Amino acid sequence: SQQGEEDPQALSIQEGENATMNCSYKTSINNLQWYRQNSGRGLVHLILIRSNEREKHSGRLRVTLDTSKKSSSLLITASRAADTASYFCAPHSGGYQKVTFGTGTKLQVIP
Amino acid sequence: GAVVSQHPSWVICKSGTSVKIECRSLDFQATTMFWYRQFPKQSLMLMATSNEGSKATYEQGVEKDKFLINHASLTLSTLTVTSAHPEDSSFYICSARENLNNEQFFGPGTRLTVL
Repeated sequence: SQQGEEDPQALSIQEGENATMNCSYKTSINNLQWYRQNSGRGLVHLILIRSNEREKHSGRLRVTLDTSKKSSSLLITASRAADTASYFCAPHSGGYQKVTFGTGTKLQVIP
Repeated sequence: GAVVSQHPSWVICKSGTSVKIECRSLDFQATTMFWYRQFPKQSLMLMATSNEGSKATYEQGVEKDKFLINHASLTLSTLTVTSAHPEDSSFYICSARENLNNEQFFGPGTRLTVL
């Protein structure tokens, strides 16, 4: 199975600042997804980026992918208190590989 | 596209009862679905792999008689927690692997509380 490792484990910023979190993985991927999970709530799909893409945007979210370094980053611009959540990456090798999650990055945005 | 839903979103039940959780792929077919469990403040742990029309494959340490999985169609898998006890209280998340390109998508999860 393929597992992503998020870094940092925890991040605390002021509202309005940008937040960057990283994901590293071990074997080549077909695609990588980012999910958000608010405390005690379910997973929310944020973005899927494919191996032939280098950057993708969705609203205030920007995801980059560097397959040579086997890493991805998620940037949240102009953060809001509502962005406080845990963020997980899910690298997928394609084929019949299973996806497992790392421990996530816990983001706290202070109003 | 590629939406996975779960039902119910949350359930509270008495100890000893059985609870069924549904996982549906809404706009794609999935021969393979996965069930995960998440304890508070921990990451998701894979419990089992569900294959349409055949028996599920359980990860080590997961009791197959406790967690019954049925994958009766290409868009539906169910997880039944039998004779639930308080220690089964957890967040259960399913994931479906799209047949077309093998991409895997996660459902929103079901919170089970056993009193």
